[in-house]
Amino acid sequence: ETGVTQSPTHLIKTRGQQVTLRCSSQSGHNTVSWYQQALGQGPQFIFQYYREEENGRGNFPPRFSGLQFPNYSSELNVNALELDDSALYLCASSLSGSRYSPLHFGNGTRLTVT
Amino acid sequence: GENVEQHPSTLSVQEGDSAVIKCTYSDSASNYFPWYKQELGKRPQLIIDIRSNVGEKKDQRIAVTLNKTAKHFSLHITETQPEDSAVYFCAAMEDSNYQLIWGAGTKLIIKP
Repeated sequence: ETGVTQSPTHLIKTRGQQVTLRCSSQSGHNTVSWYQQALGQGPQFIFQYYREEENGRGNFPPRFSGLQFPNYSSELNVNALELDDSALYLCASSLSGSRYSPLHFGNGTRLTVT
Repeated sequence: GENVEQHPSTLSVQEGDSAVIKCTYSDSASNYFPWYKQELGKRPQLIIDIRSNVGEKKDQRIAVTLNKTAKHFSLHITETQPEDSAVYFCAAMEDSNYQLIWGAGTKLIIKP
């Protein structure tokens, strides 16, 4: 069974730039969620994708966008980066069909905006 | 929307003793409450969860209790071991959109 993998592991960007983070879901999982985890905080829900469509969104501005591909992998795009976007970005996959499906997280991408 | 508060932020216990972490939630319609463990530099992992139709659930040394009336739930770890050292997060699922709202985390330190 292949777990959730994320790339890159670390990234440094300058304010105003754009970034794309990638996630491959666990084998057999068709739902992907993205979270932002600031240092010393719990994960904050950004959005969730199921069958290539966004089906839930947290309190994040439109410059945070995403995609899910037919193989269930996903991308998180952030435009016009701000200093406060510096955080660990976690991708989690799960099985649809039950709201209680456990989330399986990747190791995250550490984004630093300078 | 849902709001989850978690206490304490740091908990230090002697190896072998018990540890209790508490969370409160605001939305009485929330009906699913998982607990995740995150070791330093690693991904969060689900350790136990409970649904609103159950008051208590146990899995070996770990248990979770839920008080729906008071809107709080707790994680209990007995016979703590060094490998229990980690940050623990509680979460509550909003009934309206199935979104998980997380607490700020508790850093559990097991003293030898």
